[in-house]
Amino acid sequence: EVQLVESGGGLVQPGRSLRLSCAASGFTFDDFAMHWVRQAPGKGLEWVSGISWNSGSIGYADSVKGRFTISRDTAKNSLYLQMNSLRAEDTALYYCAKDIGQWLVRIYLDNWGQGTLVTVSS
Amino acid sequence: QSALTQPASVSGSPGQSITISCTGTSSDVGGYNYVSWYQQHPGKAPKLMIYDVSNRPSGVSNRFSGSKSGNTASLTISGLQAEDEADYYCSSYTGSSTQVFGTGTKVTVL
Repeated sequence: EVQLVESGGGLVQPGRSLRLSCAASGFTFDDFAMHWVRQAPGKGLEWVSGISWNSGSIGYADSVKGRFTISRDTAKNSLYLQMNSLRAEDTALYYCAKDIGQWLVRIYLDNWGQGTLVTVSS
Repeated sequence: QSALTQPASVSGSPGQSITISCTGTSSDVGGYNYVSWYQQHPGKAPKLMIYDVSNRPSGVSNRFSGSKSGNTASLTISGLQAEDEADYYCSSYTGSSTQVFGTGTKVTVL
């Protein structure tokens, strides 16, 4: 059974940094692209970032480009999101999601974690 | 990367069919056959319902179907059931290793 468990969320002040983690199990982590998707309270889904199976292809939403960095560690079966210069509008539930494929072209997310909440406020 | 446009809400009676539209541009929906649809029940993670415009993942009911014409994709739910009441989001590849979601549609079963 595929399991994705996010951690690292919390309350952080504007301008500060936070690092999210996603522990993956139940599938061959190396074989699939991975993504972060967020959902502000009461709002819709927003794709944040994705990384290909071999980290050779990475994409970011315009809203986070230059502030967030996605990475993965195959030895630890983990996905990360380094979030810098956080803003109030980054407040959201952050989901880790597995792609059905290896590359960032046909981006289809077939397994999701339960999310970790990030609140940016002074 | 502007969000794709969906109606805020759609409703129907049990047994009826409803269709949710998803309008983008030639840079996303119209430019690629890489459109998908997700269902999200309150407090739950999204679930992939349709990919590649019209394909259903294993385990998804054949009451769900997808199509596309030009810059607009559509999700049709036939034989509407109470369990179909949820939020639905379309998404599309937008080039350069990025994708965008739609604004979301709340489906109500009357």
